Amino acid sequence: DAKTTQPTSMDCAEGRAANLPCNHSTISGNEYVYWYRQIHSQGPQYIIHGLKNNETNEMASLIITEDRKSSTLILPHATLRDTAVYYCIVTEGGSQGNLIFGKGTKLSVKP
Amino acid sequence: DTAVSQTPKYLVTQMGNDKSIKCEQNLGHDTMYWYKQDSKKFLKIMFSYNNKELIINETVPNRFSPKSPDKAHLNLHINSLELGDSAVYFCASSRGQGAGGYTFGSGTRLTVV
Repeated sequence: DAKTTQPTSMDCAEGRAANLPCNHSTISGNEYVYWYRQIHSQGPQYIIHGLKNNETNEMASLIITEDRKSSTLILPHATLRDTAVYYCIVTEGGSQGNLIFGKGTKLSVKP
Repeated sequence: DTAVSQTPKYLVTQMGNDKSIKCEQNLGHDTMYWYKQDSKKFLKIMFSYNNKELIINETVPNRFSPKSPDKAHLNLHINSLELGDSAVYFCASSRGQGAGGYTFGSGTRLTVV
């Protein structure tokens, strides 16, 4: 079962930042937070992951609270092509973990 | 170059038939997976193979049999297809077992009629 809670859907205006929240209050010390997205009719795409520190890459930023019980994925300048279902997944980063997908957040970027 | 490729992309077949879906990755990853996405869009892991060895076998009917001839390939064979097998099947790979940064294929839409 998924260990995360995400809003079912969100809207964002094109060009604005999209902030997608995720609650993972039962996360344990060796578990990472991963974000994937699935654009319609495509396979899921890895976005970013982190353990404790905030992370940034060319796609997005990941902000993890100090207690690690929640996180926010930030798409700094959303485009129409960012419309997708975004999945927040908590899993062990080592040999025991595997990706278990929840329901995700359907992000709609509008002109 | 396609990193994880699945064939066929679409597969329509009758109940009771046996079919296979092929998956190949050219990323040099050690672990490969099969996921099933049903009509409600839930993605569920079916199998995980690490260096050609079965690691995870979730509650999947034994009509489904994965086969890994080498660590770059993980094929899915399905016997006696049923209507409920209709779904999109995704292959994926990762550098290590359970490690992040999974790369997914584009999926195979299986329709059983």
